[in-house]
Amino acid sequence: GNSVTQMEGPVTLSEEAFLTINCTYTATGYPSLFWYVQYPGEGLQLLLKATKADDKGSNKGFEATYRKETTSFHLEKGSVQVSDSAVYFCALRDKIIFGKGTRLHILP
Amino acid sequence: EADIYQTPRYLVIGTGKKITLECSQTMGHDKMYWYQQDPGMELHLIHYSYGVNSTEKGDLSSESTVSRIRTEHFPLTLESARPSHTSQYLCASSDSLQGLKLFFGSGTQLSVL
Repeated sequence: GNSVTQMEGPVTLSEEAFLTINCTYTATGYPSLFWYVQYPGEGLQLLLKATKADDKGSNKGFEATYRKETTSFHLEKGSVQVSDSAVYFCALRDKIIFGKGTRLHILP
Repeated sequence: EADIYQTPRYLVIGTGKKITLECSQTMGHDKMYWYQQDPGMELHLIHYSYGVNSTEKGDLSSESTVSRIRTEHFPLTLESARPSHTSQYLCASSDSLQGLKLFFGSGTQLSVL
């Protein structure tokens, strides 16, 4: 069946560091892919999405490119801020299947 | 913005009680979902519905049941709560016309003593 695998957390970075959170998927066909973010004490929010191969989703300085060759949708940001500290979930559209989430800590 | 509501926000009950977690959305979305999430941990899909009178079990085995008699309402019921059911329960909805975006409720934090 379809599944999503994302890197284990927590990830701890200094402010202004470069961020990559890896996400790979297993699916039949080419499902839509998503990154959701959960800030402390808040509900889940859609961060970005890509609906077909080679699409790049972007929002709030975050980017992810849908790569069918490597079945990946890695999340990247060039310069993280303390306010980016949250749990990030990679997700795949089918019944909307989520990865385990990656907790990110940004140190000032 | 999102109009999906879950009640109660917090619930503490004793073992063996029957409980129903409410979820309602006013956006006319045909798809609705229930997820279970321990704090900061992964989301597990436990039930989903693609429309009225359509319900399916998700990837995580759950002793709960759901119903979808009306488009806007997707309640989740535990017939006999146990401490192992202690978790956060998130309801979500989506509509393909909205670009596949999921809208989440604020969640119900359930504690079974």
